[in-house]
Amino acid sequence: DGGITQSPKYLFRKEGQNVTLSCEQNLNHDAMYWYRQDPGQGLRLIYYSQIVNDFQKGDIAEGYSVSREKKESFPLTVTSAQKNPTAFYLCASSIGALSREKLFFGSGTQLSVL
Amino acid sequence: GEDVEQSLFLSVREGDSSVINCTYTDSSSTYLYWYKQEPGAGLQLLTYIFSNMDMKQDQRLTVLLNKKDKHLSLRIADTQTGDSAIYFCAERGSGGYNKLIFGAGTRLAVHP
Repeated sequence: DGGITQSPKYLFRKEGQNVTLSCEQNLNHDAMYWYRQDPGQGLRLIYYSQIVNDFQKGDIAEGYSVSREKKESFPLTVTSAQKNPTAFYLCASSIGALSREKLFFGSGTQLSVL
Repeated sequence: GEDVEQSLFLSVREGDSSVINCTYTDSSSTYLYWYKQEPGAGLQLLTYIFSNMDMKQDQRLTVLLNKKDKHLSLRIADTQTGDSAIYFCAERGSGGYNKLIFGAGTRLAVHP
């Protein structure tokens, strides 16, 4: 079945530690996105990538980094510079980055600070 | 700037209709979306409406769009316990790429 796989489902971060969240898709989509979800707030865009080897900052990129070396994969690293990392992280993809493309979401990773 | 607002909570009785409302600010939005999120899961696209439409119906779901008032609603007929979830309204933001602006989500609770 085609879809988006995020792992792990739960992740704990220690003070000063970098952690990486995985996102893989087998939908052959060009565009991929990372969103952060906090309780009582809408989703906020962290980074997006319209094509392999290219990515752009979203609205809240500070303290995060990404790479897009393969079409299928768009990992997100939460660095120690992100002072409030506890949130639910959602990865999404779309066929392309045009305005009519629908987003498909993974099942999310809950990141908590120890 | 771009903003999407929704009420945070709605409680309905099983079998009744649910109406979830949303207001948005970007009058140039071409598409508006409703996503559903079940506990601990990602978002699932329920339906969407193009800005030149007033209404779209899909089985138990009816979307109404009032462009003048920038108001979007989702009506769920014959609401079931399986409809309990968080419903997000989203508009297509400006910026030349596939950017969605999400509301904070409305938690729908269905009780017997």
